[in-house]
This record gives sequence, C-alpha cells and structure tokens, in this order.
Amino acid sequence: RKEVEQDPGPFNVPEGATVAFNCTYSNSASQSFFWYRQDCRKEPKLLMSVYSSGNEDGRFTAQLNRASQYISLLIRDSKLSDSATYLCVVNGGAGGTSYGKLTFGQGTILTVHP
Amino acid sequence: GAGVSQSPSNKVTEKGKDVELRCDPISGHTALYWYRQRLGQGLEFLIYFQGNSAPDKSGLPSDRFSAERTGESVSTLTIQRTQQEDSAVYLCASSLSWGGTYEQYFGPGTRLTVT
Repeated sequence: RKEVEQDPGPFNVPEGATVAFNCTYSNSASQSFFWYRQDCRKEPKLLMSVYSSGNEDGRFTAQLNRASQYISLLIRDSKLSDSATYLCVVNGGAGGTSYGKLTFGQGTILTVHP
Repeated sequence: GAGVSQSPSNKVTEKGKDVELRCDPISGHTALYWYRQRLGQGLEFLIYFQGNSAPDKSGLPSDRFSAERTGESVSTLTIQRTQQEDSAVYLCASSLSWGGTYEQYFGPGTRLTVT
C-alpha cells in the first residue's frame, strides 16, 4: 500500500463548478498534512495546510479525518487558473528522523475549461 | 527575497558519466530536501539535511547517489555512473526548520537527461 494515495484523475470541470479531491494516508502517526499545487513543468507550491478542525481559505476548504486517515480538498467556483496538479502531502510522524520527511501523493490533475 | 535556486537548469549527460547538481536554499533555512520527479510521476523523497547532517538517507535509490551540505547553505547531489533510469527532474526544497510542520519552498529543479 502506498503511503499517500490519491485519485490521479484527470478531473475536467467547467468554470464555476465545485470539485473535491480525496487522499488517504497509511501512517497513523503522521501529524502534519498539506495540499501543494504544481503547475505544468513547474515546482510544487504550498496551497494550504490541513488542520484537524478543518480550514478554509477563500474558495478552498481542506478537511482531515484522522480516524479514517483521510484528507480532502474542496474547490468552489472553479477558475481557469485552478488548472494544475494537486498534491496531498503528509509528514512522517512524531519524533525520530522521519518527522522532517514529507511524503507526496502522486497528485490529482484538474483541468478547468470555459 | 531570493528563493531556492538550482543549477544547472538542464543537464544532458552520457550514460556512465558522473553529474553534480547544486542547490542554494533560502538564506536562514536550516532544513534542505532533495526529491526526484520522473515524467508524469509524483515526487520521490531522496534525502534531507538538518543543518549539515542528513538524518534520513533512506530515499537514496542506490549507492551511486550521494549528497552533502556545507556551511548550512549550499547542497550538492552527486550521481555517479549515471544510468538512463536516472533521467528525471531533481527538485530541491528548503524550510525554516526540519519539523514536518514547516512549509517547504521548492527550487525550479534540474532536468537531467541521461542518453
């Protein structure tokens, strides 16, 4: 089983649509969770951290379910500029050398069309 | 301020040659990470540094790969006797500290092609 699993997509949605991405992780000791965004042939950039209580940043909402080891990202009112690959990222767990290590999912491709 | 920089941006080398990739992290960032991304694939963790030491080398694919960091600044990733399967984009990232809660800032990557 992969440490971080995502539906690779691609998701093709019209402008204005709401789209949700899911991610599962295998390490129950993981403490920190993120969504990164990667544009085509560019480096990844942090989109948002994911907190236990869930958090929202404008049109983006992230949620964490520790019991199910499941993370989600919801994008409302999709824009053309949201087209990118969305990477689910999980840290290695508390303590030890794995704490500083981030594990990236394979990414979910989103294309927003006019 | 300046972000993470990497050089060269592109490198084409013949199979069997050694290559050295360089990463300049953001000034003041104590943690530095190397990843590999093959075409159409996700990021594969290689190694990270806290200061000049590398607590976790578990991701290095083989003993042909090595990395060092000096002065809590520049890092070099060396691949000896390159193979075609080493072709990928090598990404470097830095963060303020090594804890997994800190945002990682990525450089633009070095695209390595082994012919």
